[in-house]
Amino acid sequence: QKEVEQNSGPLSVPEGAIASLNCTYSDRGSQSFFWYRQYSGKSPELIMSIYSNGDKEDGRFTAQLNKASQYVSLLIRDSQPSDSATYLCAVIPSGGGADGLTFGKGTHLIIQP
Amino acid sequence: EAQVTQNPRYLITVTGKKLTVTCSQNMNHEYMSWYRQDPGLGLRQIYYSMNVEVTDKGDVPEGYKVSRKEKRNFPLILESPSPNQTSLYFCASSFRGTAYGYTFGSGTRLTVV
Repeated sequence: QKEVEQNSGPLSVPEGAIASLNCTYSDRGSQSFFWYRQYSGKSPELIMSIYSNGDKEDGRFTAQLNKASQYVSLLIRDSQPSDSATYLCAVIPSGGGADGLTFGKGTHLIIQP
Repeated sequence: EAQVTQNPRYLITVTGKKLTVTCSQNMNHEYMSWYRQDPGLGLRQIYYSMNVEVTDKGDVPEGYKVSRKEKRNFPLILESPSPNQTSLYFCASSFRGTAYGYTFGSGTRLTVV
């Protein structure tokens, strides 16, 4: 069973601070990694993708991947109340992903004004 | 505007009454997929399609049917809905398999009474 694990939260962070979201995956051969943001009752929105070890930055968001530790994280700098949402980690498992992405259950992030 | 369109957004129906949820994308994506999302269970894949006339079961296909007669459309059919199919449903599409992640539709909230 290929699994993606996330702490469900809620994770509460003060406005302006750095929010750190973590994700581990069980399939060592996993190839591609994604972070989605989902507001309550809305559809998931792709915010970051990362394919190789290291950091990838896009505005206030940084994705970090460590394949040896089977760990991917998302950092949100200068957190804003509008960042309050559920963040889903998704992985393309070994085999190329023909049968789709595997999603974690999400971490509920709350940014306190 | 590039998008995945689902209809209807909300649907309340009775047990056993056949229904279809439509999904259409205008991005010429080969890959399309249906997910359901339930509290505590996350996103679970129902069916997916690699291209026209090519469909396969996901993790929770029981009680559902799909078809892919045209590249842009991927309807989800519930032949005899039951209350345990009450859920939030998402259609998603992707370019070149799943390597670049999904674009999701806006969702269909289905209630079966």
